[in-house]
Amino acid sequence: KQEVTQIPAALSVPEGENLVLNCSFTDSAIYNLQWFRQDPGKGLTSLLLIQSSQREQTSGRLNASLDKSSGRSTLYIAASQPGDSATYLCAVKGDDKIIFGKGTRLHILP
Amino acid sequence: DGGITQSPKYLFRKEGQNVTLSCEQNLNHDAMYWYRQDPGQGLRLIYYSQIVNDFQKGDIAEGYSVSREKKESFPLTVTSAQKNPTAFYLCASSTIPDMNTEAFFGQGTRLTVV
Repeated sequence: KQEVTQIPAALSVPEGENLVLNCSFTDSAIYNLQWFRQDPGKGLTSLLLIQSSQREQTSGRLNASLDKSSGRSTLYIAASQPGDSATYLCAVKGDDKIIFGKGTRLHILP
Repeated sequence: DGGITQSPKYLFRKEGQNVTLSCEQNLNHDAMYWYRQDPGQGLRLIYYSQIVNDFQKGDIAEGYSVSREKKESFPLTVTSAQKNPTAFYLCASSTIPDMNTEAFFGQGTRLTVV
């Protein structure tokens, strides 16, 4: 059974710092991994999608990496801003299911 | 515009009642999913469907039922057997058999038992 873990569960950093969020999964037989952002009381916004054959994807200040063999992904946020404060979720897509981690609650201090 | 729509945004249920949450997509996606999110928690899979007239239980299917009569629609019924239904419910869709496309999510339905 696929299990997805995100560390840390919560993170507070001063504005302007670079930071890394971690996601690990137990079954490496995935098709892709997707990072989402969720603001309080809202739905999910897709940030980055990494195919199983890819090593990383970049969008603006965000960079996501994937090491499928070791079951790990990281989301790197450069030059953090208060507007980046949200919960970040990773999800892995297997044969038929999409399984989520519990998320990392990020707070950027002005 | 293509997308996935959930309704209603807020729903209140009395004890013992069944309620149905709507999920509609016009993305021509084959696969659809229902998730439940509790405060401070991630998303847990309730049911999923990869084709019309077929669906499978997820990790927490007890007390829920679904139907998939049309490709565009995947309604979720929260039955009276679900003892703790207050939660945020999210619907998603994705393409198959091309498994490498991203999943799209609706904006969610917040269900409260009163």
